[in-house]
Amino acid sequence: DQQVKQNSPSLSVQEGRISILNCDYTNSMFDYFLWYKKYPAEGPTFLISISSIKDKNEDGRFTVFLNKSAKHLSLHIVPSQPGDSAVYFCAAASGNTGKLIFGQGTTLQVKP
Amino acid sequence: DTAVSQTPKYLVTQMGNDKSIKCEQNLGHDTMYWYKQDSKKFLKIMFSYNNKELIINETVPNRFSPKSPDKAHLNLHINSLELGDSAVYFCASSATGYYGYTFGSGTRLTVV
Repeated sequence: DQQVKQNSPSLSVQEGRISILNCDYTNSMFDYFLWYKKYPAEGPTFLISISSIKDKNEDGRFTVFLNKSAKHLSLHIVPSQPGDSAVYFCAAASGNTGKLIFGQGTTLQVKP
Repeated sequence: DTAVSQTPKYLVTQMGNDKSIKCEQNLGHDTMYWYKQDSKKFLKIMFSYNNKELIINETVPNRFSPKSPDKAHLNLHINSLELGDSAVYFCASSATGYYGYTFGSGTRLTVV
């Protein structure tokens, strides 16, 4: 029973355009959400997060949107750059469980 | 300076063997984790330690035994390896209550 799902295994966009990565969750107790980025042969690195009390958080080219009623979050990258090509993982947590639940990742390819 | 280091990076072994994976962090974090990335690419938590104390123990076969000699180290010992144990194992660390984990680069375990 996967509580966090990323239904698009891959996404390809042109350099300079917007990349939109999506994530759905089923557990209404989740109150904190994160995006991680992973390059081949490396561990995931933390990118951006959002608390359930917000619906948007922005950090430079990266913006995360949260729609609690739809149990959906998305990561927007504008403008996309070739160096953004990686696997992006969505993750969620509830309270102080100390446990992050990850999706299966979406591979983003940004073409020059 | 490697923040979270895991050894070995690759491990190929026969069924029935016992093996260990070591993890060390130099970030001063007091919480460490083991995650398993299975063939479907989901990252699933296995264990979490806070200041050498086990705080999360997911439904993991008891052939897997974590050991934390101090808060900078978290090792994973696996007895009687099975084919299904083949996966990438990631170690991570964080400050208590903080979900922006720092991950190691992973150990790819292949059981033949």
